[in-house]
Amino acid sequence: LAKTTQPISMDSYEGQEVNITCSHNNIATNDYITWYQQFPSQGPRFIIQGYKTKVTNEVASLFIPADRKSSTLSLPRVSLSDTAVYYCLVGDIRDSGTYKYIFGTGTRLKVLA
Amino acid sequence: DVKVTQSSRYLVKRTGEKVFLECVQDMDHENMFWYRQDPGLGLRLIYFSYDVKMKEKGDIPEGYSVSREKKERFSLILESASTNQTSMYLCASRRPGQGRGTEAFFGQGTRLTVV
Repeated sequence: LAKTTQPISMDSYEGQEVNITCSHNNIATNDYITWYQQFPSQGPRFIIQGYKTKVTNEVASLFIPADRKSSTLSLPRVSLSDTAVYYCLVGDIRDSGTYKYIFGTGTRLKVLA
Repeated sequence: DVKVTQSSRYLVKRTGEKVFLECVQDMDHENMFWYRQDPGLGLRLIYFSYDVKMKEKGDIPEGYSVSREKKERFSLILESASTNQTSMYLCASRRPGQGRGTEAFFGQGTRLTVV
């Protein structure tokens, strides 16, 4: 059973770079790593996804080491509006071959002025 | 613009009532999911459906059932609502598989209070 472990919470100041690491020791060969962001009273929304090495988009970067047992979400120069819960997610293939899509407890990021 | 729509934003029901939470997506996704979210517990998967009329239990299916008669609609049913089912319920849909274009899209959530 694929499982992720993240820090429960982090604080940062505006303008700083924030790195959130997720541990996924049992990641399967075909699994991708996906990160979501959730603001209060809203559903999560997709941030970034990767399989190996480094992926970058307009909002974040994702670093994945060669063994893929962890990944790090990097948010450059955070602002107050980046205060949210961030979830790391890897695949969970059931015996039926279906894909269960399990979220962990997430990391609560608080950005301070 | 892709959309997952949940029928109610806020709902108050009495203990013992049968409750229906509806979710509709317009992306022709095969996979649909129901989660509940409680403080400190993250999102927990209740049920998911990998195609029309196909369903599988998630991690916390007790007290719930689901219906997927059409591809775009996935309903969560609380057979006899109890106070411990007071929670935020989130519906999601996604294309099957992994990699690009398979991210999940979520609705805005239904905050259900059982009194």
